[in-house]
Amino acid sequence: EAAVTQSPRNKVTVTGGNVTLSCRQTNSHNYMYWYRQDTGHGLRLIHYSYGAGNLQIGDVPDGYKATRTTQEDFFLLLELASPSQTSLYFCASSEHNNQAPLFGEGTRLSVL
Amino acid sequence: QQQVRQSPQSLTVWEGETAILNCSYEDSTFDYFPWYWQFPRESPALLIAIRPVSNKKEDGRFTIFFNKREKKLSLHITDSQPGDSATYFCAARNSNNRIFFGDGTQLVVKP
Repeated sequence: EAAVTQSPRNKVTVTGGNVTLSCRQTNSHNYMYWYRQDTGHGLRLIHYSYGAGNLQIGDVPDGYKATRTTQEDFFLLLELASPSQTSLYFCASSEHNNQAPLFGEGTRLSVL
Repeated sequence: QQQVRQSPQSLTVWEGETAILNCSYEDSTFDYFPWYWQFPRESPALLIAIRPVSNKKEDGRFTIFFNKREKKLSLHITDSQPGDSATYFCAARNSNNRIFFGDGTQLVVKP
């Protein structure tokens, strides 16, 4: 069964902290995405990738790095977390050929 | 400039009525339009999708109407049920497989 797994599911850190959010997909999909979801803003794309070693910039990349180490694994890095990055983060994956992204369960991040 | 816009922001209908959710987009090269629904404390899930070669896509009580010339589409939910209460997102994909989402419509169906 197609799956996108995120970890951790919840994370609390302090301002200036270092956070890594992990995403693994077992769907053999080429594309992976990181979104943040905030009230009133819907889903905003942070970074995405179309394969291992590839990285594309989304709409709200400031303060975030990402790395796609394998086809399965996509990481989002916050090296100096700020309260404005408190949000619900979703990872998703898709194939190019007319398939809608499949979302993970989300990671709720609080930066105090 | 926001690529995908949705209206209304929130909508309340009575059980059995038809709910109409609207969406418009900017880029005429978008080639795929999925609609997602999201229930509280859950992740977005694909509901129904359409490609520009069609002007209508139906799946049970859910129908997308697509107007390529006006760059508009709408989701019609007939015989609305309380279990349809959710936030609905219209999305659009470009040729680079980048997906743009609207800000969502929060639908409440009252019994």
